[in-house]
Amino acid sequence: DQQVKQNSPSLSVQEGRISILNCDYTNSMFDYFLWYKKYPAEGPTFLISISSIKDKNEDGRFTVFLNKSAKHLSLHIVPSQPGDSAVYFCAACDAGNNRKLIWGLGTSLAVNP
Amino acid sequence: GAGVSQTPSNKVTEKGKYVELRCDPISGHTALYWYRQSLGQGPEFLIYFQGTGAADDSGLPNDRFFAVRPEGSVSTLKIQRTERGDSAVYLCASSLSRGSGELFFGEGSRLTVL
Repeated sequence: DQQVKQNSPSLSVQEGRISILNCDYTNSMFDYFLWYKKYPAEGPTFLISISSIKDKNEDGRFTVFLNKSAKHLSLHIVPSQPGDSAVYFCAACDAGNNRKLIWGLGTSLAVNP
Repeated sequence: GAGVSQTPSNKVTEKGKYVELRCDPISGHTALYWYRQSLGQGPEFLIYFQGTGAADDSGLPNDRFFAVRPEGSVSTLKIQRTERGDSAVYLCASSLSRGSGELFFGEGSRLTVL
C-alpha cells in the first residue's frame, strides 16, 4: 500500500504556463514533506520542502501548498520552463523517524517550448 | 567534486555472485542513507547511518544485504548471493545531521543481475 501517492504518472504543459503536481498521503504521522526532481541517469535533487506547521512555502518559481485536513500537497511551478522537464517525486517523513523518507512513484513533467 | 560519489556507476553480475557498492558522502555529513529504486518506482529506504553506527536498518530486505560505515565517512553496501530481483539503482544520500530535511543524493549505482 502506497503511503505517498502521485496519481498522475505524467504531465505536459506549455512553456510559460503553470505546472501543478499533486501528491496525497495516508499516514497522519508524516510531518515533513519534500519535493525532489530527477533527471535521467542522475540522483534526485532536492527542490523544496514544507513542515506540517505551515500551509505554504515559496522559493522563486516553486511553491508548495499543504492541506493537512485533506492529506494533500501540491507543487506549483510558474512560469514553467523547458529545463523543468524531469520526474518529480513527492516524499514524506515523520521528522522524528530518522528522516526515513517515504516516496511516491513520481510524475514525469514535460514542458514544451 | 563536492557531491556524493558512488561507485561503480554500473555493475552487471551473475545470479549468485557477491557485490559491493561504495558511497563517499559529502565531507562533514554525519548522516548517510541507502535507498533502492526499481524501474517505475520511487526510492525505497534501506538503511540509515548516523556516524559509524547503523541507526535504522529496517529497510534491508533480507540478510543477504549488509552495509558498513567503519570510519563514519565512506559506506559500502554488500549484497551476497545476488538474485535477479536485486536489479535496481542503489542510491546513496547524505545530510549534515539527522535533523536536516535535505538529503543530497549521488547519481546511483545501477545493478543488473543476469
